[in-house]
Amino acid sequence: EDQVTQSPEALRLQEGESSSLNCSYTVSGLRGLFWYRQDPGKGPEFLFTLYSAGEEKEKERLKATLTKKESFLHITAPKPEDSATYLCAVRSNTGGFKTIFGAGTRLFVKA
Amino acid sequence: DAGVIQSPRHEVTEMGQEVTLRCKPISGHDYLFWYRQTMMRGLELLIYFNNNVPIDDSGMPEDRFSAKMPNASFSTLKIQPSEPRDSAVYFCASSDRGIDEKLFFGSGTQLSVL
Repeated sequence: EDQVTQSPEALRLQEGESSSLNCSYTVSGLRGLFWYRQDPGKGPEFLFTLYSAGEEKEKERLKATLTKKESFLHITAPKPEDSATYLCAVRSNTGGFKTIFGAGTRLFVKA
Repeated sequence: DAGVIQSPRHEVTEMGQEVTLRCKPISGHDYLFWYRQTMMRGLELLIYFNNNVPIDDSGMPEDRFSAKMPNASFSTLKIQPSEPRDSAVYFCASSDRGIDEKLFFGSGTQLSVL
């Protein structure tokens, strides 16, 4: 069964303090790994798709990387507006378009 | 485009009542998903459709839940009878399998069953 585990559950950072969020996954053949951001009271919003080990993608202060067993979301010099829940999701190449989400990491960035 | 539109935004009902949640996907998207989010279980996939046809409903909790997609621009998720444990935020999402194969989520329906 496809599974996604995210750590830590919550992370508190000072503004400018860089850190990483972890996403470990088990899937029967990875079709894609996804990162989403969710603000309180809203639906998840897409950030990145990674398809193969070694792939990296960047957007402003965020960089996502992928290995065969896990993905990292690196946050460089975060700002308070980066505070949100970050969700990792996977899709297998045998499960059609089924997308399984992890429980998320709640990030708090203090000014 | 207005994005994925869900209604109602909030629903409060009593145990045993029927609840119907509605979703309008983004025009041109051929995939539609229903998810449920709770603190305990996170974001769970309930069912997804492709071209209005249910493809995977293995996440539907039990027979009290049913979902339909009568046409490309409308879907419903019905709970009958509702129970307090059904209280959650229900999200609808759609996709066209574009370059990133990403999902576009609606703002969700906050359901409270008393």
